[in-house]
Amino acid sequence: DVKVTQSSRYLVKRTGEKVFLECVQDMDHENMFWYRQDPGLGLRLIYFSYDVKMKEKGDIPEGYSVSREKKERFSLILESASTNQTSMYLCASRNRRGTDTQYFGPGTRLTVL
Amino acid sequence: GDSVTQMEGPVTLSEEAFLTINCTYTATGYPSLFWYVQYPGEGLQLLLKATKADDKGSNKGFEATYRKETTSFHLEKGSVQVSDSAVYFCALSDQIVAGNNRKLIWGLGTSLAVNP
Repeated sequence: DVKVTQSSRYLVKRTGEKVFLECVQDMDHENMFWYRQDPGLGLRLIYFSYDVKMKEKGDIPEGYSVSREKKERFSLILESASTNQTSMYLCASRNRRGTDTQYFGPGTRLTVL
Repeated sequence: GDSVTQMEGPVTLSEEAFLTINCTYTATGYPSLFWYVQYPGEGLQLLLKATKADDKGSNKGFEATYRKETTSFHLEKGSVQVSDSAVYFCALSDQIVAGNNRKLIWGLGTSLAVNP
């Protein structure tokens, strides 16, 4: 079974802190994604990566950056956390072909105080 | 651009009731269509998918048929159970982005609560 793991289920940070969210997948998938999920707004794509060291902005990249130094790991970075970044963050991975399933991690519930 | 519209929730049903969650889409190409489900406290997982017109996806008693003429992919189940309580997301995959890769376009999700 494909497994996508995220470093934390719950995280509490202070405004202005630098925050790292880590995601690891074990199926050698080329594509990896970071989403945030908010009530009434569904899933919004922050960034995705289609290969090592490659990244593309999604729909809401402002305030975030990403890093993909190894194929299995995709990190989301909040350079200076703000309260409006309090959210559920979901990581996903997928094979390159468009019809293939996206596999999701369990999510990280981030609260910025 | 491409988009997905789902019926708003929450939907509340009694056990063994019939379920329909409507999903319609707009797309310029020939998208693949998906239903994902998110159980409480978990990430999303694929429920079913269809890759071309008239295909029917099915899984765990759920079904959805890719209707190109009505641009719809409605989710149905004949008899829901309490364990089906979750949030259901409709999505399409037809956006060519960098490196010839595609991203999903998501609906906003429909919350389903099934009472015993």
